[in-house]
Amino acid sequence: GQQLNQSPQSMFIQEGEDVSMNCTSSSIFNTWLWYKQDPGEGPVLLIALYKAGELTSNGRLTAQFGITRKDSFLNISASIPSDVGIYFCAGQNNNAGNMLTFGGGTRLMVKP
Amino acid sequence: NAGVTQTPKFQVLKTGQSMTLQCAQDMNHEYMSWYRQDPGMGLRLIHYSVGAGITDQGEVPNGYNVSRSTTEDFPLRLLSAAPSQTSVYFCASSYVGLAGADTQYFGPGTRLTVL
Repeated sequence: GQQLNQSPQSMFIQEGEDVSMNCTSSSIFNTWLWYKQDPGEGPVLLIALYKAGELTSNGRLTAQFGITRKDSFLNISASIPSDVGIYFCAGQNNNAGNMLTFGGGTRLMVKP
Repeated sequence: NAGVTQTPKFQVLKTGQSMTLQCAQDMNHEYMSWYRQDPGMGLRLIHYSVGAGITDQGEVPNGYNVSRSTTEDFPLRLLSAAPSQTSVYFCASSYVGLAGADTQYFGPGTRLTVL
């Protein structure tokens, strides 16, 4: 099955640094979503993007829906230890059973 | 609201055994779905339902059955467990608006090991 190409696979950064991760796809999506998953928990929605070119912020998080509708990025500014976790991008099309297609995840580790 | 709840949290099965993973939501969401998550991979859709009495297959449906007799519950059945079904299973739910399913909310997951 199709998966989104998410990079990087992992990042180990110093507290206070900015983080950037992205997803690309060979297919177009109507919606791009970014989730964070903590150990032993289900994914929690961070940001949802509904229009090509849309730039949306949620606190220190900023995400953009690519103009081609085939990519998206997530930035985290001034990282803190609680940002540790796995971040997943997901694409969604309303005409495909509303199935979410997930990227492979970016594991973020923050050194205090 | 409790949101999306899943039971059990952990389960160990022997090959060939059957079991049902439970999922319930109290948000009156029409859309419910089951995903599996394997190491190093994102989640993959197993089955989904757009309302009571309606189910359909996702990306990886083989070996799993579902039913949706009520809006609140969406159980996932493994009829004859296989080691390849060792995974973490997540249930999710959302509203269905004019543009399709809205943002999906995930349960805490069931970690299944098949020996």
